[in-house]
Amino acid sequence: EAGVAQSPRYKIIEKRQSVAFWCNPISGHATLYWYQQILGQGPKLLIQFQNNGVVDDSQLPKDRFSAERLKGVDSTLKIQPAKLEDSAVYLCASSPREGGTGANVLTFGAGSRLTVL
Amino acid sequence: ELKVEQNPLFLSMQEGKNYTIYCNYSTTSDRLYWYRQDPGKSLESLFVLLSNGAVKQEGRLMASLDTKARLSTLHITAAVHDLSATYFCAVDSYYGGSQGNLIFGKGTKLSVKP
Repeated sequence: EAGVAQSPRYKIIEKRQSVAFWCNPISGHATLYWYQQILGQGPKLLIQFQNNGVVDDSQLPKDRFSAERLKGVDSTLKIQPAKLEDSAVYLCASSPREGGTGANVLTFGAGSRLTVL
Repeated sequence: ELKVEQNPLFLSMQEGKNYTIYCNYSTTSDRLYWYRQDPGKSLESLFVLLSNGAVKQEGRLMASLDTKARLSTLHITAAVHDLSATYFCAVDSYYGGSQGNLIFGKGTKLSVKP
């Protein structure tokens, strides 16, 4: 089974510039997550999709971050304009769970490391 | 709001020794997960604990869940260098029918020295 694909792996930009990250989840996984992991901390959920609908975006800074999941498969996370504090690894994860029952084991991608100068 | 606390945050061990990492969480949940992260790598699922009293073991690692105490432990037996990594616990915020997602602790950075 192919894993969760993310690109780019690394990105360096200056503050106020924009950046976009792409994620292709495991085939058939209904739920897709974007997490932000700042150095030395645990992952923090930014947005959760089920199929192509948003389930939870309560922690997404909507003035600068946006995300979409086209046709319930691939997803893109955009930051515009970037701030210094956005420097982090952006992790995409997917899980097969559609409802609330059962285990919810997330499979993570390798992550996209963003450095904002 | 669900909060997840791990301790210790840093752990330096000698090979061959035993130790326990603790994960406390603040609200009702019966689903807890342990992940491992190597430096510069992504997170890898280690254990899935889905009920009170659940115990899972894999090699030198054993995880348990006490939902009444809202506590999970990850016990390391006879540590070896290969176990050096950061370990995260994550609690499923699903309870009572909500969709749920995983809330992570800050992680425990384990370093095993010869």
